[in-house]
Amino acid sequence: EAGVAQSPRYKIIEKRQSVAFWCNPISGHATLYWYQQILGQGPKLLIQFQNNGVVDDSQLPKDRFSAERLKGVDSTLKIQPAKLEDSAVYLCASSYLAGGRETQYFGPGTRLLVL
Amino acid sequence: AQKVTQAQTEISVVEKEDVTLDCVYETRDTTYYLFWYKQPPSGELVFLIRRNSFDEQNEISGRYSWNFQKSTSSFNFTITASQVVDSAVYFCALSDHNDYKLSFGAGTTVTVRA
Repeated sequence: EAGVAQSPRYKIIEKRQSVAFWCNPISGHATLYWYQQILGQGPKLLIQFQNNGVVDDSQLPKDRFSAERLKGVDSTLKIQPAKLEDSAVYLCASSYLAGGRETQYFGPGTRLLVL
Repeated sequence: AQKVTQAQTEISVVEKEDVTLDCVYETRDTTYYLFWYKQPPSGELVFLIRRNSFDEQNEISGRYSWNFQKSTSSFNFTITASQVVDSAVYFCALSDHNDYKLSFGAGTTVTVRA
């Protein structure tokens, strides 16, 4: 079974530029998550989708970050404009709920460096 | 609010030594789930184990074992006879029964020297 796919793996941009990340979840997984992981810290949830609807985006800095999952499968996360503090690894995870059990599986992440 | 504390920032051991990673959690929920993930240098978070709050049975999987103690709100992880390939950052995480969102600890970096 294919895992969670993310692209690009690495991105370097200058501050105030825009950037977009793409995630393809595991087939059949209804729930998709985007996390931000700053160096030396644990991942922090940005947004949670259930199919193509947003479940929780309370931690998403909506003045510059946006995310969508239009057809309930792939998702994109955008930052516009980027700031220096956005330098981090952006992780996508997917999961399905079966019998009250839910486990998130993560992609390889996109390492973003903002100069 | 949920909180996960991994007090150990870094642990360095020589190959074949055992290493135990501590995890202490806080939650008001009566039903919750605990996880351990491994993050090797490649960056991907690899799922290791999930434990339900109502199941305090300890678990062993090969060289890995987990000790869940509800009375002390701890979910510790032991690697027996460590190997160089075990070098990674290990994260403990907690989710509740309502939305399954994960709250991660800060991680413990394990370095196994040959």
